[in-house]
Amino acid sequence: EVQLVESGGGLVQPGGSLRLSCEASGFTFSNYWMSWVRQAPGKGLEWVANINQDGSDKYYVDSVKGRFTLSRDNARNSLYLQMNSLRVEDTAVYYCAREKQFLEYLLYGTKTSYCGMDVWGQGTTVTVSS
Amino acid sequence: DIQMTQSPSTLSVSVGDRVTISCRASQSIGSWLAWYQQKPGKAPKLLIYRASTLESGVPSRFSGSGSGTEFTLTISSLQPDDFAIYYCQHSKSYFRTFGQGTKVEIK
Repeated sequence: EVQLVESGGGLVQPGGSLRLSCEASGFTFSNYWMSWVRQAPGKGLEWVANINQDGSDKYYVDSVKGRFTLSRDNARNSLYLQMNSLRVEDTAVYYCAREKQFLEYLLYGTKTSYCGMDVWGQGTTVTVSS
Repeated sequence: DIQMTQSPSTLSVSVGDRVTISCRASQSIGSWLAWYQQKPGKAPKLLIYRASTLESGVPSRFSGSGSGTEFTLTISSLQPDDFAIYYCQHSKSYFRTFGQGTKVEIK
């Protein structure tokens, strides 16, 4: 069964740190881009960051740049989000998600492209409060 | 950054109704758009990718259309299981922005 399981959430004071983990199973983890998406209480979805297959490319939403660091360990089928200098506004459920890949058939051949997120974890809750 | 705007924010509808949700991008994103359904306390579920391709296992009453900056999610005949919040999300750039969501509620 294709599955993502997050862990590491909890209650932390403003300015504190947490490290979220996401363990993948049922698919070849090293073949996929991965994302973190968060959802504040009663609010919509917010994309946080993503990382390519070998960890050499990473992108972050402006509000977490310089505070959050995304990494992965393909040998352990795991994705990590190190969150430092946490703020009250970082309070949310954090989901890890697999980016959907598909083949584009082009004039000169095929290309692997990405659109959407097709596998999601159950989420882990991060609460930043004093 | 590309901004995504959905309308309306809330739809009050009845079972059997045809439902249309709009999503507008702040600049052209080609067909790099996905739609999701989210129910309370659950992770989002991918419904459509590449603007109009139905994800495996998703009922055919869901369809997507559009390109460039204007996109639509249509539910042809709303079923009881479809009351949820729907989100669009672009993949034109690596910064994957979501729309703010459209809640489909019982009239």
